[in-house]
Amino acid sequence: AQSVSQHNHHVILSEAASLELGCNYSYGGTVNLFWYVQYPGQHLQLLLKYFSGDPLVKGIKGFEAEFIKSKFSFNLRKPSVQWSDTAEYFCAPLSPLVFGKGTRLSVIA
Amino acid sequence: DVKVTQSSRYLVKRTGEKVFLECVQDMDHENMFWYRQDPGLGLRLIYFSYDVKMKEKGDIPEGYSVSREKKERFSLILESASTNQTSMYLCASSLGGLSNQPQHFGDGTRLSIL
Repeated sequence: AQSVSQHNHHVILSEAASLELGCNYSYGGTVNLFWYVQYPGQHLQLLLKYFSGDPLVKGIKGFEAEFIKSKFSFNLRKPSVQWSDTAEYFCAPLSPLVFGKGTRLSVIA
Repeated sequence: DVKVTQSSRYLVKRTGEKVFLECVQDMDHENMFWYRQDPGLGLRLIYFSYDVKMKEKGDIPEGYSVSREKKERFSLILESASTNQTSMYLCASSLGGLSNQPQHFGDGTRLSIL
């Protein structure tokens, strides 16, 4: 069965700290990889996507993700987080059918 | 910009009622989806539709049905509401080509069943 695993349920970071959110999936076929973000009180919106080519993809607001096919992973990174990055992040390597359970990021001053 | 509009932001209904949640998108998208979002469980797909009058079950279709009579509108129906259907319901749409198109989400309907 297809499944998605986000390793962290809740991450708390100080401003300027680096971020890495893990995402693994189990599916042997072709995947189209997405990360979505949900800021407090707002709708989910696309953060970044990967279909093919360079496995390191850039998204909005300084986020990037790396697709490692051999590890079935698509981890999200940001070198220096800001308070405004406080949100819930959803990995969706098997979108639209299966989403990860989400990681809540809290950035404190 | 794509706009996905859900008819209600908050809704309170009673057990046993028939409940309708409406969703409209304005970008002529072929695909539309209904999810429920629960803390710790993320998004779970209830139903989706890739064309008018077409529907496919997602992971948790039990207790729900859907209707897509027009391309822009996708309705979720709770046939007989129960308390375990209290949740946040999200509608989304995307262009055709099911798996490689990003989705556009509505603001959600927070449904409480008393």
